[in-house]
Amino acid sequence: KAGVTQTPRYLIKTRGQQVTLSCSPISGHRSVSWYQQTPGQGLQFLFEYFSETQRNKGNFPGRFSGRQFSNSRSEMNVSTLELGDSALYLCASSLVVPTYGYTFGSGTRLTVV
Amino acid sequence: AQTVTQSQPEMSVQEAETVTLSCTYDTSESDYYLFWYKQPPSRQMILVIRQEAYKQQNATENRFSVNFQKAAKSFSLKISDSQLGDAAMYFCAYNQGAQKLVFGQGTRLTINP
Repeated sequence: KAGVTQTPRYLIKTRGQQVTLSCSPISGHRSVSWYQQTPGQGLQFLFEYFSETQRNKGNFPGRFSGRQFSNSRSEMNVSTLELGDSALYLCASSLVVPTYGYTFGSGTRLTVV
Repeated sequence: AQTVTQSQPEMSVQEAETVTLSCTYDTSESDYYLFWYKQPPSRQMILVIRQEAYKQQNATENRFSVNFQKAAKSFSLKISDSQLGDAAMYFCAYNQGAQKLVFGQGTRLTINP
């Protein structure tokens, strides 16, 4: 079965712009979560959605937002980009309870210039 | 807040030998999941092995096994018969509830031929 699909793979944006990243989970997975990975801060949790509802949110400014659609696909948006937002953004999907773990996509590499 | 600590930023091992990666975590919960993920240069996080805290038996997946010491809050990963393809960043992760993973800082594993 198809894995977690993230698009685009690479993105270059200018400071002040906004960006939208997309994540399609494994079929049957209704939980989608997002992580930011940087060399300095490591992997940090952004937010998690289940059945179109945000259930948990990490410690990120309001410029970071997300949503989930009825088909479980999710998008995250970053507005007013800053240089520090340059990172690898990873999406993960799981069943309601992560008995079998989380499955990650290959990520979107965002570079802000 | 839960924390995960990987005290070995880098490890190296000769091909075909055994290596153990360390992980400790801090939690006041009694029921949770622990995971080891592998991240090769391709960026995708790949689940290596998982452990449910209520299960006393250590998890094993082929050449990968864990030493789970619940009282000591320790969760080490042993890789037997190391192969060149095992070279990657390894992350220990904690999950309590169905909402987010807390990751350690990672251990970069090098396999010497």
